[in-house]
Amino acid sequence: EDQVTQSPEALRLQEGESSSLNCSYTVSGLRGLFWYRQDPGKGPEFLFTLYSAGEEKEKERLKATLTKKESFLHITAPKPEDSATYLCAVQAVGASKIIFGSGTRLSIRP
Amino acid sequence: EAGVVQSPRYKIIEKKQPVAFWCNPISGHNTLYWYLQNLGQGPELLIRYENEEAVDDSQLPKDRFSAERLKGVDSTLKIQPAELGDSAVYLCASSPRMGDINEQFFGPGTRLTVL
Repeated sequence: EDQVTQSPEALRLQEGESSSLNCSYTVSGLRGLFWYRQDPGKGPEFLFTLYSAGEEKEKERLKATLTKKESFLHITAPKPEDSATYLCAVQAVGASKIIFGSGTRLSIRP
Repeated sequence: EAGVVQSPRYKIIEKKQPVAFWCNPISGHNTLYWYLQNLGQGPELLIRYENEEAVDDSQLPKDRFSAERLKGVDSTLKIQPAELGDSAVYLCASSPRMGDINEQFFGPGTRLTVL
């Protein structure tokens, strides 16, 4: 069964303190891995799609990386406005459905 | 470009009452999804449409939930009768491609409270 596990559940950082969020996945074959950001009271906002191991993508202070078993979302020198829940999702080969993890709640203190 | 539009944003009803949610996807997006999101969890797919055809409704509780997407654009999700356990956020998303890789764009959601 396809599965996505995110860790930690919650992470509190000081402004400027870099860290990483983890997404471990189990799928029969990976078609794509997605990262979304979700602010309170809003729908998820698309950030990245990663397709194969070794791929990296960047957007401002965020960089997503992918291996055969997990993905990391690295956040460099975060600011309070980076506070949100970050969701990871996977799509298996031959499937149209994507499966979400439970997310990591990130809080950045000024 | 306008995003996915959902209404209402909030709904409070008594149990056993009916409720309906409306979604207007991004213009030109053929694929439309309805998700349910419980507090502290990721979204869970209820139903997926390709144009006006429901191609994946395996997770939709068909005894009380129904959905339609007339003319392949707007969609409505209905619950009748609502139960206490239906309290959640109902998200609509759309995608520009049929099949293959699925980059989905979400609306703000409808927060349903069943009393």
